[in-house]
Amino acid sequence: KAGVTQTPRYLIKTRGQQVTLSCSPISGHRSVSWYQQTPGQGLQFLFEYFSETQRNKGNFPGRFSGRQFSNSRSEMNVSTLELGDSALYLCASSPWTSGGTGELFFGEGSRLTVL
Amino acid sequence: GENVEQHPSTLSVQEGDSAVIKCTYSDSASNYFPWYKQELGKRPQLIIDIRSNVGEKKDQRIAVTLNKTAKHFSLHITETQPEDSAVYFCAASHPLSGSQGNLIFGKGTKLSVKP
Repeated sequence: KAGVTQTPRYLIKTRGQQVTLSCSPISGHRSVSWYQQTPGQGLQFLFEYFSETQRNKGNFPGRFSGRQFSNSRSEMNVSTLELGDSALYLCASSPWTSGGTGELFFGEGSRLTVL
Repeated sequence: GENVEQHPSTLSVQEGDSAVIKCTYSDSASNYFPWYKQELGKRPQLIIDIRSNVGEKKDQRIAVTLNKTAKHFSLHITETQPEDSAVYFCAASHPLSGSQGNLIFGKGTKLSVKP
């Protein structure tokens, strides 16, 4: 079974631009979460999607948004990029279970550099 | 909201020694506590997890203990090997309705195992 796939893997943008990152979850996984990873702050939760609906959102400004499509693929968008947005953006998928939170399967990430 | 503190931030041990990483959480309603290992340049991967109805869980050389009263949990690695060198993240999950991918992570511990 293929793992979580994220594209692009690397990208460089300048301040003020916007960026869209894509995530294809493991087949059959309906929950997709996004995390920002930086050396100083570790892994910080951005948002989670299930059945095309945002289920939860972290403490990030409105410049960060996302969506999920009917095939469970997800995209996240960052508008008006700032230098501090430089980070590794990780997508994680999980099967939706009645038992509650379980293992998250992470992609390799999209490394964004803002100049 | 939930806050997870992780200590130490760096840990260096000799091969064969034990390593212990400790985390505390703030929300007594949190009920799921996973540990992820991230090797350099790779994705985080789950190594062990524990739910709040269990006090200890072991998987070969890795064990996790949970003290709900004190709101802390620990990762124990015995007989460390060079391939255990990585960054380890603890996390906690609050049983939010309708959410399964929301983990609050600690800032990570960089473990170095010297041969």
